[in-house]
Amino acid sequence: NAGVTQTPKFQVLKTGQSMTLQCAQDMNHEYMSWYRQDPGMGLRLIHYSVGAGITDQGEVPNGYNVSRSTTEDFPLRLLSAAPSQTSVYFCASSYSPGQNTEAFFGQGTRLTVV
Amino acid sequence: AQSVTQPDIHITVSEGASLELRCNYSYGATPYLFWYVQSPGQGLQLLLKYFSGDTLVQGIKGFEAEFKRSQSSFNLRKPSVHWSDAAEYFCAVCSYNNNDMRFGAGTRLTVKP
Repeated sequence: NAGVTQTPKFQVLKTGQSMTLQCAQDMNHEYMSWYRQDPGMGLRLIHYSVGAGITDQGEVPNGYNVSRSTTEDFPLRLLSAAPSQTSVYFCASSYSPGQNTEAFFGQGTRLTVV
Repeated sequence: AQSVTQPDIHITVSEGASLELRCNYSYGATPYLFWYVQSPGQGLQLLLKYFSGDTLVQGIKGFEAEFKRSQSSFNLRKPSVHWSDAAEYFCAVCSYNNNDMRFGAGTRLTVKP
């Protein structure tokens, strides 16, 4: 089972550049989310989606866009990269909220903005 | 909104010693509680979860956690730590009707030989 796949694993961007972090899952999960992980701050929710065509903001959404055109894919777009967006990004997926809200995580994307 | 506090940023224990990692949560209703482990350079792996029922839950790798509603706590324990347990541990909380899972800041565990 592939589970949750994130690409790329590493990326260096210049300030002002844009890019898309890819996330795909093959478990037919309705719920997908993006987190950023910074030292001493744990994981903070950026955006999430409860199904195709439905997205919402999390705790730290500024500077990021998402869309969900299919159940499998949930890309995260950085519109104009800033050094403050240097972080490790994790994508996660799970069944709809309820008894089975266990989240499965990708391996992460380490992003550096210079 | 719910929140999670892990009071210990870093803990060092000797191999074979017992371990307890603390987690306190803030939420009005019954929360869904999780412990995840992250090895260096890896994603997060679920250790155990609590949804309802027995307040002592068993997880993988010999870990267990106890939900104490009166103390708003969900502490993780292991009777005898192995060197391979060295990692970062995250407590998380989610509500039934809310899609927003909140994580604590994490506790880094170092295991001394």
